[in-house]
Amino acid sequence: GAVVSQHPSWVICKSGTSVKIECRSLDFQATTMFWYRQFPKQSLMLMATSNEGSKATYEQGVEKDKFLINHASLTLSTLTVTSAHPEDSSFYICSARVNSGRVNEQFFGPGTRLTVL
Amino acid sequence: RKEVEQDPGPFNVPEGATVAFNCTYSNSASQSFFWYRQDCRKEPKLLMSVYSSGNEDGRFTAQLNRASQYISLLIRDSKLSDSATYLCVVTYSSASKIIFGSGTRLSIRP
Repeated sequence: GAVVSQHPSWVICKSGTSVKIECRSLDFQATTMFWYRQFPKQSLMLMATSNEGSKATYEQGVEKDKFLINHASLTLSTLTVTSAHPEDSSFYICSARVNSGRVNEQFFGPGTRLTVL
Repeated sequence: RKEVEQDPGPFNVPEGATVAFNCTYSNSASQSFFWYRQDCRKEPKLLMSVYSSGNEDGRFTAQLNRASQYISLLIRDSKLSDSATYLCVVTYSSASKIIFGSGTRLSIRP
């Protein structure tokens, strides 16, 4: 299947700093990427849909000024958590959508574990 | 009401048992359906797509009932390695929106 990478895989930072997470589609082009957040023992919650060359679409309750998304190329989307606070500590996962014939499939990156002290 | 609902479990069954999960969805406009598997602290991985005619992949069988708006996953002859959380996923054709269920935890005991 298609490969999606994320960097970094984990990060620990102080409260108030900004953290950038990269999501790359390694062997295909992705016009659409998704950013999810998952708290312990909970399911993935879609934060935003990242569209190449246009503004991201944020889900209700997700602050666009706090979670900056840039999808500058067909293989890279970035999520920047600005002024991170301990409550932002979570597992952030990106995915890229592949249109393949009959069904749409999406492939997930390995996730980034963010811990804000 | 959640758009996609699953029994959170956990299901604790012996090795070799057959186990079934259901997932209900509320939006009749839903078009594509999938089952994903997620191991602890890892990203979800596609297990199988779910087609209207039903589909089987080895020990796994997925079925879709559009009239009742649910999908199911059946695991036969369960293995220890099947222990994971199984996520039901529903997508809409008109948008990129993808909805995850909260997941059903399965634990297979020796």
